[in-house]
Amino acid sequence: GAVVSQHPSWVICKSGTSVKIECRSLDFQATTMFWYRQFPKQSLMLMATSNEGSKATYEQGVEKDKFLINHASLTLSTLTVTSAHPEDSSFYICSARGAGGFSYEQYFGPGTRLTVT
Amino acid sequence: GQNIDQPTEMTATEGAIVQINCTYQTSGFNGLFWYQQHAGEAPTFLSYNVLDGLEEKGRFSSFLSRSKGYSYLLLKELQMKDSASYLCAVRGNYGQNFVFGPGTRLSVLP
Repeated sequence: GAVVSQHPSWVICKSGTSVKIECRSLDFQATTMFWYRQFPKQSLMLMATSNEGSKATYEQGVEKDKFLINHASLTLSTLTVTSAHPEDSSFYICSARGAGGFSYEQYFGPGTRLTVT
Repeated sequence: GQNIDQPTEMTATEGAIVQINCTYQTSGFNGLFWYQQHAGEAPTFLSYNVLDGLEEKGRFSSFLSRSKGYSYLLLKELQMKDSASYLCAVRGNYGQNFVFGPGTRLSVLP
C-alpha cells in the first residue's frame, strides 16, 4: 500500500515553455502533498505544501507564479513549471501524507527529471 | 530557524558497521526520520524516532536524543547495495513539514 506515482518520469522541454508534472496517490487519499526539488548531489528542498481544495503554501524563495501547484482532489496534485529556464532543470519529487488519524510518514513518488534546453 | 547537519561522505567496508550522525536545531520537534536514496531515485523510508532511545529494524537501527538534538543511523553487516545517500529529516511543530538534512553519501567498498 501507500504508493505514489509521478508522471512523467522525465521530460525535456525548450526554454520558455511550460511543463506539468502530476503526482498521484494510488491507494490512499492524500490530504496533503509536498513538492520538493533536488539538484545533483544536494538534498531535497521543500518547495511547497498543498492541501486538497486550498491554495498551496510556498517556501521562502519559491516563486508561486512560476511554480503553479494545484491539488484538485485527494489523489492528485500537479506542479506546473511556467516559462521554464535551464536553471529550472532539476529532479522534482512529490510526497503525500494520508488522511485521518496520526499519519507520521510521507510517501514519496519516484520523481520527475526535468531538463530545460 | 532550522538547521540540520550530517557528514557529507562516508566510506565503509562490506560486512562492517557504520554510524551516520545527524544533529539538528529546529524551532519545534515532532519526529525525526531517516531515508535512503539511491542516485536518481526517490527517497525510501527507513526509520522514525519521536521518543529518546534506539529503534531497531533488521540491519538498521536509529537512535534519538532530543535533549542533545542528535540522532544516528546504524547500519550493520554492510552490503554493496547499501551504497546510497542517507537523509535525516526533522518534522517541526509548524504544519508538520519535513526539513531535510544535506544527506550523507555512503560508499560501501568490497
